This record gives sequence, C-alpha cells and structure tokens, in this order.
Amino acid sequence: EVQLEESGGGLVKPGGSLRLSCAASGFLFSNAWMSWVRQAPGKGLEWVGHIKRKTDGGTTDYAAPVKGRFTISRDDSKDTLYLQMNSLKSEDTAVYYCTTVPGDWGQGTLVTVSS
Amino acid sequence: EIVLTQSPGTLSLSPGERATLSCRASQSVSSSYLAWYQQKPAQAPRLLIYATSSRATGIPDRFSGSGSGTDFILTISRLEPEDFAVYYCQQYGSSLTFGGGTKVEIK
Repeated sequence: EVQLEESGGGLVKPGGSLRLSCAASGFLFSNAWMSWVRQAPGKGLEWVGHIKRKTDGGTTDYAAPVKGRFTISRDDSKDTLYLQMNSLKSEDTAVYYCTTVPGDWGQGTLVTVSS
Repeated sequence: EIVLTQSPGTLSLSPGERATLSCRASQSVSSSYLAWYQQKPAQAPRLLIYATSSRATGIPDRFSGSGSGTDFILTISRLEPEDFAVYYCQQYGSSLTFGGGTKVEIK
C-alpha cells in the first residue's frame, strides 16, 4: 500500500522559513516523479512544484508564485521528499500535500504564515 | 503554462442521475497526461482517472473519462450518495496544472 506522510508544518512569521518532509513507502520511490500541491483554506488545488526521478534528470519545476523562494529536493536513499520554503508570505498559508505524479496523496500538513 | 478551465462550477443533481463534468485546456494536452481527482471535505484528493480514461485501482466503473486535445470529460453514470464531492482535472504533460474544480452537490 502506498503511503505518503508529510511533516514539518506549523506556524511561522512572514519572512520566515520552514522545511516540509514527506516520507514515502509502499512503492519504488526512486522511480517516481513527485510533487507538492497546496490548498489554501476554502480554495482549490494549486501545484507548487515537482521533481523528476533521477533517470529523467532529477530536475525541478516550480509555480510562478513560489519560484526563487521554494526548493524541492529528494533523498532516494531515505525515500523522502522535501520542500524548503523561504521568505514565506501570508498567501503561502495552506495545507501542503506530497503526491506522486499522478496518483497518491499524503494527508497533508498545515502551514500558517502569520505574525 | 497550460490553463485548465472546468465547467460548470457547481452541478446540482439527484442520486441516480448522470453527471458530466468538463475540463478545457488552453492548449493541447497529450491524452496520456490528463487525470481526474475527487476531494471530499477535510480529506486529501483521491485519484479517479489517469491518462484520460484509465480508472485508478479500486475506482468503480460508474466513473469514466474521455476526450482529447483540449476537451476532456469525466462522466459519473449514476450518482451514488458518496459521489457528492469536488472534482479536479490535472494535466501533467507540460509541467503540472489543475483546473478550478467542479462541485457536485445534492439537488
């Protein structure tokens, strides 16, 4: 059974940083394209960014609102995906989901950016 | 960036009725890279359909997907009570984007 478990969410002040982790199990993580998707309260789904598997170059791509502030990385030896978020803004407040592309989702972790 | 527009925004139907949800892309999407998700309140989205028409594991056959190019459809042949939810399309052929969602509500 595929399992994705996000962690690292919480309350952070504007301008602050946070790192989210996503522990994966039940599938060959190193073979998967992985993404982060967020959902602001009462809103729809917003793609944040994704990372390809290493055999496809391991490259990343980001949505315009987060480009230059967020960084996605992966550690295939630990079956873990990361999202480093810097220079956080109030509009980054959302539940952040880790997902395979396409396919399975974690339960999400809430990030609240507020003073 | 490929923009996905879903219509209608809200669909009011009764159990047993047929639901037809539309997803229109701003440019052509490869049929291999179009997916549909269902999301219920306070839950993570669940994959229903991938590659336009392939049902994900465990998805009932009342859910079907079709389309090509810029126009894609999700059909629910007979609505069950548990199908009332929000549905999103996603393309993953040119980066990734989501549609704005269609809420299927009980009439």
